[in-house]
Amino acid sequence: NAGVTQTPKFQVLKTGQSMTLQCAQDMNHNSMYWYRQDPGMGLRLIYYSASEGTTDKGEVPNGYNVSRLNKREFSLRLESAAPSQTSVYFCASRRSGQLKNIQYFGAGTRLSVL
Amino acid sequence: GENVEQHPSTLSVQEGDSAVIKCTYSDSASNYFPWYKQELGKRPQLIIDIRSNVGEKKDQRIAVTLNKTAKHFSLHITETQPEDSAVYFCAASIIAGAGSYQLTFGKGTKLSVIP
Repeated sequence: NAGVTQTPKFQVLKTGQSMTLQCAQDMNHNSMYWYRQDPGMGLRLIYYSASEGTTDKGEVPNGYNVSRLNKREFSLRLESAAPSQTSVYFCASRRSGQLKNIQYFGAGTRLSVL
Repeated sequence: GENVEQHPSTLSVQEGDSAVIKCTYSDSASNYFPWYKQELGKRPQLIIDIRSNVGEKKDQRIAVTLNKTAKHFSLHITETQPEDSAVYFCAASIIAGAGSYQLTFGKGTKLSVIP
């Protein structure tokens, strides 16, 4: 099992450009999450998907859109990138049915917006 | 919504000493508290967790304690080693039946273990 796979690993954008961050998991997990990590700010939830076909906003959704393409894939789109979106983005997934909230993270995408 | 405060933001200890990281949470409905370790340039990984029906949990050199009344929980690392150097995040979540659960993270503690 590869676990949670994110692409790309690094990306540099100019202000106003758009891009999609890809995430796929092979653990048959129902729930998937997108976080951003900024220095001194911890991990903040952008959007999540409880199951295929559903998405919900997290703490910091402005400027982002998501698509739960199927059970495996959950993508994050920046329509018009801004310097404030410079961050490290992590995707995570969680198996439903457990009385815990153990999330498995991808390796991250480091995004710079100039 | 839930708010998790974590202290200290940085911590330096001598190898072999103990390290303690403390977190407080605001929502009394939270009932699941994991701790994640993130090494430099790597992804966060779960190291230990505790549910609200338990006051303490231990796994070799790491332990977590929970005080539901005071709404705080702590991570204890004994006999620290250089490989314990990392950023540690606490988190809180509400687990109630089926559904997708959000984790609210603290801002992290950078632990440095000095050889």
